[in-house]
Parts: sequence; C-alpha cells; structure tokens
Amino acid sequence: GAVVSQHPSRVICKSGTSVKIECRSLDFQATTMFWYRQFPKQSLMLMATSNEGSKATYEQGVEKDKFLINHASLTLSTLTVTSAHPEDSSFYICSAMNTDTQYFGPGTRLTVL
Amino acid sequence: QKEVEQDPGPLSVPEGAIVSLNCTYSNSAFQYFMWYRQYSRKGPELLMYTYSSGNKEDGRFTAQVDKSSKYISLFIRDSQPSDSATYLCATISTDSWGKLQFGAGTQVVVTP
Repeated sequence: GAVVSQHPSRVICKSGTSVKIECRSLDFQATTMFWYRQFPKQSLMLMATSNEGSKATYEQGVEKDKFLINHASLTLSTLTVTSAHPEDSSFYICSAMNTDTQYFGPGTRLTVL
Repeated sequence: QKEVEQDPGPLSVPEGAIVSLNCTYSNSAFQYFMWYRQYSRKGPELLMYTYSSGNKEDGRFTAQVDKSSKYISLFIRDSQPSDSATYLCATISTDSWGKLQFGAGTQVVVTP
C-alpha cells in the first residue's frame, strides 16, 4: 500500500515552454501533498505544501507564479513549471501524506534546453 | 546551522559488514523520526519510522533514537551490494506537522 506515482518520469523541453507534472496517490487519499526539488548530490528541498481544495503554501524563495500547484482531488496534485528556463532543470519529487507518514513518488527529471 | 545534520559520506563498507548511519538535530520540537533510502534518480523510499526513544527493528534494519542527546541512528546488518544508496534521515516537528526536515543524506557503498 501507500503508492505514489508521478508522470512523466522525465521530460525535455525548450526554454520558455510550460511543463506539467502529475502526482497521484494510487491506493489512498491524500489531503496533503508536497513538492520537492533535488539537485545532484543534494538533499530534497521543499518547494510547497499542496492541500486539496485550497491554495498551496510556498516555501520562502519559491516563486508561486512560476511553480503553479493545483490539488483538485484527494488523489491528484499537479505542478506546472511556467516559462521554464535552463536553471529550472532539476529532479522534482512529490510526496503524499498517509496518516502521519509521507510517501514519495519516483520523481520527474526535467531538462530545459 | 542546519536543523538536521548528517554526514554526506560516502561511506564504503565490505559486503556483510554493519552499516552505521547517524544524524543529530537541534530542535526539541522534532518528535517523529524517519529513515529513507534513495537510489540514484529515484524517489525516497521509507525504511523506518519511529517517534519514541529507544530501538526499533525491522529485518536487517535497526533505528535508534535518543531524544535526550538529539541523536538518531540507523544500523544495517549483513549489508548487501543492493543496499548501496543514499540514506536520508528526516524529522517532523510538532510545530509544523507534516513538513519533513531532511538531513543531507549519506551515500553508502557496499562493495562485494
């Protein structure tokens, strides 16, 4: 149990385009999901907390207009990287809260050319 | 100073040895402790979860928490090459429920 999926697993896009990443909890409902990014050989950096039916809470220094988060249902949260630039290239990971534990998705590798 | 300190390694051990990993934390509000394993280019996988001082065992893994010293450990017995990964400690504060504070992660390499 407690499986979280992400789609796509990797994406390559041109600079200036927008990219949407989906995070789904497959066998449980998650009122709270989290979005992280991770640079090579570094730990996970929390970007935002996504709550179903309400606005996401962004961490300090994360541009909410650039990283749009929508949590429309109890099993789906989406992260849209708008007008992506090469510096947005990273590994994006979501997690979903099940009771008192976070379960992570497999991650999405974004490369912006 | 980071709230959760963890030596990034790498830590190299021969197959069959005990892997010993640890983290220290500074905030007394941290009451829940987790260890995650992350293989390269994959999401973290929950290994152990505990909220009380003492030991918790699951197969070859033992998690140890000492709240008085603010020190948490993970031991892996009979290590295998497949245990080669990055191990992340994480805590949750009662002040900000749900938000994980991660250590830097320790890269472990188990050599055959």
